[in-house]
Amino acid sequence: NAGVTQTPKFQVLKTGQSMTLQCAQDMNHNSMYWYRQDPGMGLRLIYYSASEGTTDKGEVPNGYNVSRLNKREFSLRLESAAPSQTSVYFCASCDETDTQYFGPGTRLTVL
Amino acid sequence: SQQGEEDPQALSIQEGENATMNCSYKTSINNLQWYRQNSGRGLVHLILIRSNEREKHSGRLRVTLDTSKKSSSLLITASRAADTASYFCATDRGNKLVFGAGTILRVKS
Repeated sequence: NAGVTQTPKFQVLKTGQSMTLQCAQDMNHNSMYWYRQDPGMGLRLIYYSASEGTTDKGEVPNGYNVSRLNKREFSLRLESAAPSQTSVYFCASCDETDTQYFGPGTRLTVL
Repeated sequence: SQQGEEDPQALSIQEGENATMNCSYKTSINNLQWYRQNSGRGLVHLILIRSNEREKHSGRLRVTLDTSKKSSSLLITASRAADTASYFCATDRGNKLVFGAGTILRVKS
């Protein structure tokens, strides 16, 4: 049981470049989430997916898009990266007791 | 906007002492959860307390919830160096969690 996996672990982009962060879970959870964490702050929700085929905006969705490819996978795309998107990105899935399980994170730097 | 706010922002104690962290929130909740984050890692779920519960225990952890004051506390008893981490409270709003900024706990051996 791998839990929640994320790729890549590290990424450096130039302003304007695009990239997709991948997330997968093998716990058969319906809900999945993308957060960003900036220094000295807690996690802020970017997008979430309550079930396969549905996605909703969180607190800070601007500049991001998501795809719930299937029940296992939930990807986050930056179409035109900006320095303000330099952050650590976490994916999570949620079980029926409302407990969230987090991936190890992706450290993104936008120059 | 962050729903939960932890207090203190940082806490430094000696191994064997107890550590208490507090969380305040603003609106009604379904449940409140506490998570731990070791440096550079993802968050790990510690404990969940529902709005109709007042206290919950898990090993060396004790969580209380006072919905009238909109506050919760996390007590770690007999702390160990391995407890050094950031601790976050998160309030459940429907199927979303809203996290506070966290308390950084340092346990000195």
